[in-house]
Amino acid sequence: GENVEQHPSTLSVQEGDSAVIKCTYSDSASNYFPWYKQELGKGPQLIIDIRSNVGEKKDQRIAVTLNKTAKHFSLHITETQPEDSAVYFCAVFTGGGNKLTFGTGTQLKVEL
Amino acid sequence: DSGVTQTPKHLITATGQRVTLRCSPRSGDLSVYWYQQSLDQGLQFLIQYYNGEERAKGNILERFSAQQFPDLHSELNLSSLELGDSALYFCASSVGLAGVYEQYFGPGTRLTVT
Repeated sequence: GENVEQHPSTLSVQEGDSAVIKCTYSDSASNYFPWYKQELGKGPQLIIDIRSNVGEKKDQRIAVTLNKTAKHFSLHITETQPEDSAVYFCAVFTGGGNKLTFGTGTQLKVEL
Repeated sequence: DSGVTQTPKHLITATGQRVTLRCSPRSGDLSVYWYQQSLDQGLQFLIQYYNGEERAKGNILERFSAQQFPDLHSELNLSSLELGDSALYFCASSVGLAGVYEQYFGPGTRLTVT
């Protein structure tokens, strides 16, 4: 089955700095790559996604890049703010299994 | 607010018991997914229903079952509960099948088995 690795597991940055979280996957047939933000006591919130025919996607301070050849994708958050502090999960969809496989999560802390 | 609702928010029960978790998808969404989130296993896909039919199965135990009703709400039934079943259970919904449409998660049900 699909295997998704996510790094780092924890990330601490100063407010205003950039944060980058990386995920690698194993199944070359994977074609959809969402990122979720989970705040304490809440469900995962979809923040950005990318499909296999696109290399990069931006939404204000958030961007995702995809390298299908190397089978990895990354979340980039610029000008971080305290409210960005949360756990971030990457996920991979593989059509054959018709399900999302999640990474293990990254605890992001933005310090003042 | 994603538009996906789940009840109850918290559930405390004893080993050996049976519980039912309920999920209402976003208006217009036909697919419902169930996930389990525990500290040691992360977010694990359990099962998917699309318009009343089971479409995909993950690592769902035989003690667990689910269904999707004609009004598209879904229930996850957990029986013969064990301590290790304590976890957060999330429901997500999408317009169609995953990979074509985004999945939106509900707030979850926290199950504690004592």
